[in-house]
Amino acid sequence: DTAVSQTPKYLVTQMGNDKSIKCEQNLGHDTMYWYKQDSKKFLKIMFSYNNKELIINETVPNRFSPKSPDKAHLNLHINSLELGDSAVYFCASSQRTGGGNQPQHFGDGTRLSIL
Amino acid sequence: GQNIDQPTEMTATEGAIVQINCTYQTSGFNGLFWYQQHAGEAPTFLSYNVLDGLEEKGRFSSFLSRSKGYSYLLLKELQMKDSASYLCAVRGAAGNKLTFGGGTRVLVKP
Repeated sequence: DTAVSQTPKYLVTQMGNDKSIKCEQNLGHDTMYWYKQDSKKFLKIMFSYNNKELIINETVPNRFSPKSPDKAHLNLHINSLELGDSAVYFCASSQRTGGGNQPQHFGDGTRLSIL
Repeated sequence: GQNIDQPTEMTATEGAIVQINCTYQTSGFNGLFWYQQHAGEAPTFLSYNVLDGLEEKGRFSSFLSRSKGYSYLLLKELQMKDSASYLCAVRGAAGNKLTFGGGTRVLVKP
């Protein structure tokens, strides 16, 4: 069974479009995350939700809006896509927000290409 | 702020040992993680250190020195399948925010 699943795996679209990426975890975790991995392979946190509440909101353009309908889902909506948004977006989840050996489990990534 | 440094690339021979170093400067510290990421795949958890010393897990070991802001990941008896990027990540004092280094690409040659 897939632990953290995100869709779509590939997303090719034109500049200016609006798109969404979905993420679901079946691990029973309380906390979910969105990361962006650019062409230089740096993995950077964008957002984190704990039980549907936003707890981490890094310096990300407000064209990016996360939504968590329940603690098992965290979706990412992106408005007015720009060339610089091309990257791999990873969803992750973990047991709780802090402390202890609580690794984050990652989905397989969504490869977003802006034409 | 957080600053995490690790070498960009390392090459080693099958059966050998490779040590990947990670140095960090962070405003708070609540643990250090190592992840493995094969090309085109998700990062997968390898190890966790929060106290000084060595943690061993089969062929992989990870070491931490908090006073020096230093960790290493040791890969023993290298196999071809170990060719991947290895990411060092530090968890800050608050919450579960991980800051990742740029990753070290390890190439294992026959």
